[in-house]
Amino acid sequence: GDSVTQTEGQVALSEEDFLTIHCNYSASGYPALFWYVQYPGEGPQFLFRASRDKEKGSSRGFEATYDKGTTSFHLRKASVQESDSAVYYCALGASGGNYKPTFGKGTSLVVHP
Amino acid sequence: DPKIIQKPKYLVAVTGSEKILICEQYLGHNAMYWYRQSAKKPLEFMFSYSYQKLMDNQTASSRFQPQSSKKNHLDLQITALKPDDSATYFCASSQGGAPNERLFFGHGTKLSVL
Repeated sequence: GDSVTQTEGQVALSEEDFLTIHCNYSASGYPALFWYVQYPGEGPQFLFRASRDKEKGSSRGFEATYDKGTTSFHLRKASVQESDSAVYYCALGASGGNYKPTFGKGTSLVVHP
Repeated sequence: DPKIIQKPKYLVAVTGSEKILICEQYLGHNAMYWYRQSAKKPLEFMFSYSYQKLMDNQTASSRFQPQSSKKNHLDLQITALKPDDSATYFCASSQGGAPNERLFFGHGTKLSVL
């Protein structure tokens, strides 16, 4: 079945550091790719998506480019802030005839002031 | 105001009992989903519904039964509860269930089974 592998565990940075969270996927079809963010006590929130190869999605200074060749959708931000501390999920839209949007295991970002 | 309402926010149950988790969405969406989040499996797909019909099901156990009485409702009935069912259950919705649609999530129901 479809699956997502992303940077495991926690990423700890200082304010103004550069962020990369890796995301690789395996899918039978040609899925849309998403990033979601989750704050404590809340459900995941949509950050942005990309639907085709080479398309860049972006929001709030975060960005990722759909790369079908390397099956990747890495999340990047040039300069993180303490308020970016949260759990980030890479996700696949449903594809190949299924209706199961699939999420990675999440990466906890902690930004120190 | 929250557009996806999940009730209750916290739920404590005893092993063997039955509970219903409520989800209502006021976004005018036609597709709804249930996900489970625990330490073991961070965000696990359970069910998807579109226009009140089951589209996909990833839950092996028949103890979990979604119930859609209205277009904007998708409740989750769990029978014969086990401690392993302890998790936060998230309801989500999307416009129509198309593959490139973003999901909107509720705040979750945290279930603890003793």
